[in-house]
Amino acid sequence: DAMVIQNPRYQVTQFGKPVTLSCSQTLNHNVMYWYQQKSSQAPKLLFHYYDKDFNNEADTPDNFQSRRPNTSFCFLDIRSPGLGDAAMYLCATSQGLGTQYFGPGTRLTVL
Amino acid sequence: AQKITQTQPGMFVQEKEAVTLDCTYDTSDQSYGLFWYKQPSSGEMIFLIYQGSYDEQNATEGRYSLNFQKARKSANLVISASQLGDSAMYFCAMREGVYNFNKFYFGSGTKLNVKP
Repeated sequence: DAMVIQNPRYQVTQFGKPVTLSCSQTLNHNVMYWYQQKSSQAPKLLFHYYDKDFNNEADTPDNFQSRRPNTSFCFLDIRSPGLGDAAMYLCATSQGLGTQYFGPGTRLTVL
Repeated sequence: AQKITQTQPGMFVQEKEAVTLDCTYDTSDQSYGLFWYKQPSSGEMIFLIYQGSYDEQNATEGRYSLNFQKARKSANLVISASQLGDSAMYFCAMREGVYNFNKFYFGSGTKLNVKP
């Protein structure tokens, strides 16, 4: 089945230690998104790629970076995680005017 | 102004009964899409149903239907015959326009609890 895959599902890191979350898709969609979601809140868009074009939300901290080496893969790098960065990170994809499909998410814990 | 408003932070429904989750939206675009997602405690966002702004009929997907009232800018989700597995957060979302159509706006969500 075509899908959006996120690894790992759970990630524990230490305060200030860089961490990378990964997302892959078999849907061949041209748009990939990264969202941050804290408990009982709506997902907050961090950035998205339209093909190779990177679009950063104005309020996304510089601590968050992203890479999309090819259509299938997208990475979220958190350079120096703080306690406030503990959250669920959701990757999603869409194509044209179509529906946005989400991966299972990575739950990040910062110690 | 909020693009998507969900006014019910939490709701209870008895198993096997129907429930309506409210969603209103704000856009000046003629072309837009409305979506509902379910998020169980596991965290995955599951797509439920879609309604396009030009669709004349309300969307239906199994036990889910979308009550689309364009003039009132509302897109309520109706779940018929609730099941215990329907207990989850539900998010209404909108993708507006033809330009910048990659951006989706989410409401704050409604937590649904289905009682046995």
